[in-house]
Amino acid sequence: EDQVTQSPEALRLQEGESSSLNCSYTVSGLRGLFWYRQDPGKGPEFLFTLYSAGEEKEKERLKATLTKKESFLHITAPKPEDSATYLCAVQATSGSRLTFGEGTQLTVNP
Amino acid sequence: KAGVTQTPRYLIKTRGQQVTLSCSPISGHRSVSWYQQTPGQGLQFLFEYFSETQRNKGNFPGRFSGRQFSNSRSEMNVSTLELGDSALYLCASSQTRPTLWYEQYFGPGTRLTVT
Repeated sequence: EDQVTQSPEALRLQEGESSSLNCSYTVSGLRGLFWYRQDPGKGPEFLFTLYSAGEEKEKERLKATLTKKESFLHITAPKPEDSATYLCAVQATSGSRLTFGEGTQLTVNP
Repeated sequence: KAGVTQTPRYLIKTRGQQVTLSCSPISGHRSVSWYQQTPGQGLQFLFEYFSETQRNKGNFPGRFSGRQFSNSRSEMNVSTLELGDSALYLCASSQTRPTLWYEQYFGPGTRLTVT
């Protein structure tokens, strides 16, 4: 059974204080690892897809990396508008469903 | 390009009733997936439809069903509602071209409350 574990559950940062979110996974053949951002009362917003170990992708202050067992979402010099829940999901080669972690709730204080 | 739309956005039902939720995918997307999100269980996969056929199904009871129409719009139905069915129901659509097949884009969700 595919499993995704995210840590920490919650993270509080000061504006400008860089940090990383972790996503550990076990999957029977990884097709892709996905990062989403979710604001309260809204649907998840797609951020990145990573397909193979060693791959990195960047978008503004966010950078996602992938190894064979985990992924990191690095947040550089965050701003209050980066506050949200960040979700990690994996998709196995055996099917199209996404298996999600519980998410990391990020709060960035001004 | 318009995003995924879901209707209604909010719904209050009574135990024992049934409910139908609707999802319109992004134009050109032919795959539609449904997920249930609750504080205790997180996001869980319900089922996926492609070209009007259910391709994949999660571990939910038979009270949860869905269908897809020829224009790729999808509906999901929950019969005999239980209190535990209260959740945010999310629809996601994806393209079919190989390089973009796997990225799923979510709608705003339908918040269902069962009393």
